[in-house]
Amino acid sequence: KAGVTQTPRYLIKTRGQQVTLSCSPISGHRSVSWYQQTPGQGLQFLFEYFSETQRNKGNFPGRFSGRQFSNSRSEMNVSTLELGDSALYLCASSPRTDYTGELFFGEGSRLTVL
Amino acid sequence: AQTVTQSQPEMSVQEAETVTLSCTYDTSESNYYLFWYKQPPSRQMILVIRQEAYKQQNATENRFSVNFQKAAKSFSLKISDSQLGDTAMYFCAYPPPGNTPLVFGKGTRLSVIA
Repeated sequence: KAGVTQTPRYLIKTRGQQVTLSCSPISGHRSVSWYQQTPGQGLQFLFEYFSETQRNKGNFPGRFSGRQFSNSRSEMNVSTLELGDSALYLCASSPRTDYTGELFFGEGSRLTVL
Repeated sequence: AQTVTQSQPEMSVQEAETVTLSCTYDTSESNYYLFWYKQPPSRQMILVIRQEAYKQQNATENRFSVNFQKAAKSFSLKISDSQLGDTAMYFCAYPPPGNTPLVFGKGTRLSVIA
């Protein structure tokens, strides 16, 4: 079974631009979560989707948005990029409807904002 | 806010030795789950071990075991017979009550030295 796939793996943008990151979960997993990882803040939860519905949202500004498609693939978008948005963005999928089980992570998309 | 604290930002251990990573958390719940995740350099995060709070027996997975002290809200990870492949960031995590996503500690960077 293929793992969680995130694209692109690396990207460089300039301030003010926008970016879209993609995540394909493990087949059969309907829950997809997104986390932002930075050296200073660790992993911070962005949002989670289950069956195309956003179930939870972290404490991030409205510039961060996401969606999930009927095939469970998910995208997140960051508009009007700021230098502080430079981070590793991790996607994780789960077959469960709650948070008591294992999360399966992708390798991440490393975003650099210049 | 629910918090997870890892007090050791960095640790090192000699190959074949034993090392313990600390984690404390804050919850008012009586039943919950706790996790340790491992993130090797430039590789995806994977689950190391999972503990159910209502189980008094400490979880064990091969060379990895936990010391779960429920009253002290402590959940440390012990790695026995350390191997070079154990070099990684280790994150402690748990899902706060109310079916909310995992909260992660800021991580401990472990280096295994030959």
